[in-house]
Amino acid sequence: QLVLTQSPSASASLGASVKLTCTLSSGHSSYAIAWHQQQPEKGPRYLMKLNSDGSHSKGDGIPDRFSGSSSGAERYLTISSLQSEDEADYYCQTWGTGTVVFGGGTKLTVL
Amino acid sequence: QITLKESGPTLVKPTQTLTLTCTFSGFSLSTSGVGVGWIRQPPGKALEWLALIYWDDDKRYSPSLKSRLTITKDTSKNQVVLTMTNMDPVDTATYYCAHRPGPRGPIDYWGQGTLVTVSS
Repeated sequence: QLVLTQSPSASASLGASVKLTCTLSSGHSSYAIAWHQQQPEKGPRYLMKLNSDGSHSKGDGIPDRFSGSSSGAERYLTISSLQSEDEADYYCQTWGTGTVVFGGGTKLTVL
Repeated sequence: QITLKESGPTLVKPTQTLTLTCTFSGFSLSTSGVGVGWIRQPPGKALEWLALIYWDDDKRYSPSLKSRLTITKDTSKNQVVLTMTNMDPVDTATYYCAHRPGPRGPIDYWGQGTLVTVSS
């Protein structure tokens, strides 16, 4: 079964970097994913598509501070030079044959 | 510029059928590969995919909700409609529609969402 697992929460200081993780279920380590950001009281925003080889393509207007990488079944979102507006929920998303799957989301707190 | 906007009732009673409309611009649902989907988010909870419809009228549904969902499109009006039968208070959520550029790609544009409350 295609499942995405995310840690419920993460925190980092203003100006620092943070790396969020999304783990694909067994047998699905070759899958690409997408990262989405949801700021408080707002709808989701597409950040990027991230392939299994770590290559990624970002959505419109996404700053260079946001980058992606991959290792095995893990997909990462790294945010550098953290700003207050980066405090948000971050969801990973993938797709299989006729299905779309979301992870449970990670709530990022900027200290 | 791709935009999507959801519309529909804000309040429905238990057992009623919910009908939501997604009106979009900046792309055509007759373009090969393109899809429009629905995703919901209960208050304080995670995103949950519901359904997708593609340019060729291929339709896909969440297995857990398939029996209650119907998705249709009106290409001439740039609209996609989702119906969900037998609404229950647990279906209270913000419902989003979204654009998908192809069956092997991510959701890349989202609507603003519409909150639907199920209550008698």
